Amino acid sequence: GEDVEQSLFLSVREGDSSVINCTYTDSSSTYLYWYKQEPGAGLQLLTYIFSNMDMKQDQRLTVLLNKKDKHLSLRIADTQTGDSAIYFCAEGSGSARQLTFGSGTQLTVLP
Amino acid sequence: GAVVSQHPSRVICKSGTSVKIECRSLDFQATTMFWYRQFPKQSLMLMATSNEGSKATYEQGVEKDKFLINHASLTLSTLTVTSAHPEDSSFYICSAREINNEQFFGPGTRLTVL
Repeated sequence: GEDVEQSLFLSVREGDSSVINCTYTDSSSTYLYWYKQEPGAGLQLLTYIFSNMDMKQDQRLTVLLNKKDKHLSLRIADTQTGDSAIYFCAEGSGSARQLTFGSGTQLTVLP
Repeated sequence: GAVVSQHPSRVICKSGTSVKIECRSLDFQATTMFWYRQFPKQSLMLMATSNEGSKATYEQGVEKDKFLINHASLTLSTLTVTSAHPEDSSFYICSAREINNEQFFGPGTRLTVL
């Protein structure tokens, strides 16, 4: 079945850039997503990229997709303490666009 | 933006009782709703997919008689955990989507079974 993998932890200093990486196995993925989850809360959609795109930028967020290597990354510029959360990547495919989630990366922003 | 609510946000119940969790799309019609389960510090696991007016499709390993899903209208889906046991304690999250649109997630329901 589909598999999505992420590193579990990332720590950065406030003001630096954060890069969270994700790999996936399903070559039929049509959409790839990044979600943010704060403690005890649901998931907030941050951004997504269609599989025929290489890059998408949205304010402080930049998503890079290497479809050949099935590698997705999320760069957060000028990381702030409010960015501390768990970040999930997910791949979606099929007509129902069911999502398969990675394990989540806990981002800690140090002052 | 699209808003999905869940009720209750937290529930504590005794072993053997049944618990119903509601998921509502507040400002759009959800042709499809999804139910996920999340264990502490783990990822979301899809439990089932439901389309309005039809039976839910359960993922492998999820007991349909244990986790009853009803999607009776385009804005409401319910998950009933029947005869709950402590191992059913978890964070349950729903999501909803319009046709050809993205999934929007509810805030989650923390279930604790004593």
